Amino acid sequence: DTAVSQTPKYLVTQMGNDKSIKCEQNLGHDTMYWYKQDSKKFLKIMFSYNNKELIINETVPNRFSPKSPDKAHLNLHINSLELGDSAVYFCASSPSGGETQYFGPGTRLLVL
Amino acid sequence: DQQVKQNSPSLSVQEGRISILNCDYTNSMFDYFLWYKKYPAEGPTFLISISSIKDKNEDGRFTVFLNKSAKHLSLHIVPSQPGDSAVYFCAASGTDSNYQLIWGAGTKLIIKP
Repeated sequence: DTAVSQTPKYLVTQMGNDKSIKCEQNLGHDTMYWYKQDSKKFLKIMFSYNNKELIINETVPNRFSPKSPDKAHLNLHINSLELGDSAVYFCASSPSGGETQYFGPGTRLLVL
Repeated sequence: DQQVKQNSPSLSVQEGRISILNCDYTNSMFDYFLWYKKYPAEGPTFLISISSIKDKNEDGRFTVFLNKSAKHLSLHIVPSQPGDSAVYFCAASGTDSNYQLIWGAGTKLIIKP
């Protein structure tokens, strides 16, 4: 009964491909997030959704498109993958914006 | 322009002693601060938080101190245990960050037996 789950855990793919990462939370939270942890280990917010509505969209290439079919799910679709997209992507959720966030285990993406 | 800084990339402490992790911030509008712990190949897990109306919050072996005038917070772990070996992230939020968490770069804590 994992609180925030992500699939897949590992993703190895070729440049130019399109891939999706799924996130689900069973905590009943209203807000979900996508973070990217880069090679310097900084956690950078990419997107935040509150009740299926986009509330934060940081400077992220438009090849990245989040989709929230319901408030328990926030998926990340990436088009035309590039080498620089290789990173660990974390999904998180919180009861509402600004409170303690709970993280998934991360998806390790490697673009070859 | 890092608004939250953890200047020590790593820290090594003897088991049983006190571990002190430091964090500095530049934005005086931050009013909520958190510490997260991260093991390899796992997501960050929430450890302890403090609101700007307090200067100390304690939870078992973990205590967070906030010095608003110095824009500095610290996490004390006492006594340190081998399971405390992890990367510790400091994060802050406030009204002008739209309550988005702003993260430090993390400090790797190594507890020596």
